[in-house]
Amino acid sequence: QSVLTQPPSASETPGQTVTISCSGSSSNIGSNAVNWYQHFPGTAPKLLIYNTNQRPAGVPDRFSGSKSGTSASLAISGLQSEDEADYYCSALDDSLSGHVLFGAGTKLTVL
Amino acid sequence: QVHLVESGGDLVKPGGSLRLSCAASGFTFSDYYMGWMRQTPGKGLEWIAYISSRSTNTKYADSVKGRFTISRDNAENSLFLLMNRLRVEDTGVYFCARDVPSGTYAFDIWGPGTVVIVSS
Repeated sequence: QSVLTQPPSASETPGQTVTISCSGSSSNIGSNAVNWYQHFPGTAPKLLIYNTNQRPAGVPDRFSGSKSGTSASLAISGLQSEDEADYYCSALDDSLSGHVLFGAGTKLTVL
Repeated sequence: QVHLVESGGDLVKPGGSLRLSCAASGFTFSDYYMGWMRQTPGKGLEWIAYISSRSTNTKYADSVKGRFTISRDNAENSLFLLMNRLRVEDTGVYFCARDVPSGTYAFDIWGPGTVVIVSS
């Protein structure tokens, strides 16, 4: 069981905005930055958001990240069919001697 | 073009060993922390280990600590993962990745992965 809790699935229609949550604790999300990845099975994961709300070059501004307390969120606006993928949050955990945690992932379905 | 390519995945019996390699190109390898992650069947991503740019600092997930060893050869632009005492639950796709130098342990460049199957 992952220490970072994500909903197993989410769905929304094209053009709408979907938000994926990631719940942790004071030792991980509460005190460290959060990163988000997009993963299409069988391919290399892609970094979408790092340092909680920063986008790497080339990532559309439809993707945004935020954090409040011990929870973080990834929002995807203007949803497109090609956004259908698995999304993972990640953060460092201070109580685990600097270990990197991943959430269990959220499968996004674009209806 | 920034590139990472893993190799070395194979079918191995429980208790056996395997050494994975990751070839880097297109960037100054010695400037970056590097990490290994895996995806096991039916499960999500799992961080396994990371190593600092000069190999002075390494960290391991509890699930592999004492069995796996991460190392690197900056002269050869290569990252390695030596896996000993392999278990059936180590089966999965193994990815090497480059750390974003932001202090957040975010991995911005990933290889396509190499498959490890542990089975008798």
